[in-house]
Amino acid sequence: QKEVEQDPGPLSVPEGAIVSLNCTYSNSAFQYFMWYRQYSRKGPELLMYTYSSGNKEDGRFTAQVDKSSKYISLFIRDSQPSDSATYLCAMSASNTGKLIFGQGTTLQVKP
Amino acid sequence: GEEVAQTPKHLVRGEGQKAKLYCAPIKGHSYVFWYQQVLKNEFKFLISFQNENVFDETGMPKERFSAKCLPNSPCSLEIQATKLEDSAVYFCASSQETVINYGYTFGSGTRLTVV
Repeated sequence: QKEVEQDPGPLSVPEGAIVSLNCTYSNSAFQYFMWYRQYSRKGPELLMYTYSSGNKEDGRFTAQVDKSSKYISLFIRDSQPSDSATYLCAMSASNTGKLIFGQGTTLQVKP
Repeated sequence: GEEVAQTPKHLVRGEGQKAKLYCAPIKGHSYVFWYQQVLKNEFKFLISFQNENVFDETGMPKERFSAKCLPNSPCSLEIQATKLEDSAVYFCASSQETVINYGYTFGSGTRLTVV
């Protein structure tokens, strides 16, 4: 069993829809949680980060962490075709910065 | 500069040949990380450096893989005697010390193809 599980999709939504992306994890020591966006043939780009449980909002993006359920989410409001990419969750248990990634969810937003 | 520069973008090696990849971190960033992405989305941590010192090497294969970060030079990841299974995109990332646990900046990767 992988430490971090993420549905690879693909997920296809119409423009303007609310998108919900999720990851579950098994290691209760994870404290730092991140979401990255990766366009084809590019490096991952950091979208959001949170520490421990709670919500964080940045523009159209909201990240949620529920440590009791070992579940994290990324919500995208008013989705745009330019949001079409692979979204990777990542998390860390230590102060070394070593990240464990989910498999990534491929999102397509159709105009 | 404000980007992590990785070279070359593409590298093709015959099985058994050596491959050497380079990474120039963002100026002022003291941490460098190497990841291997296989099968499109499977990221695997390899090694990290704090300046020129190995910080965490728990993901580094014991054989054939080595890495260095020397002063005033790009960091490097070297694979001796490449195997078909080494075919992957290798990403480098860098971070300032104060934000090491809040994500870091990735380069665009080096795509290694072993034939």
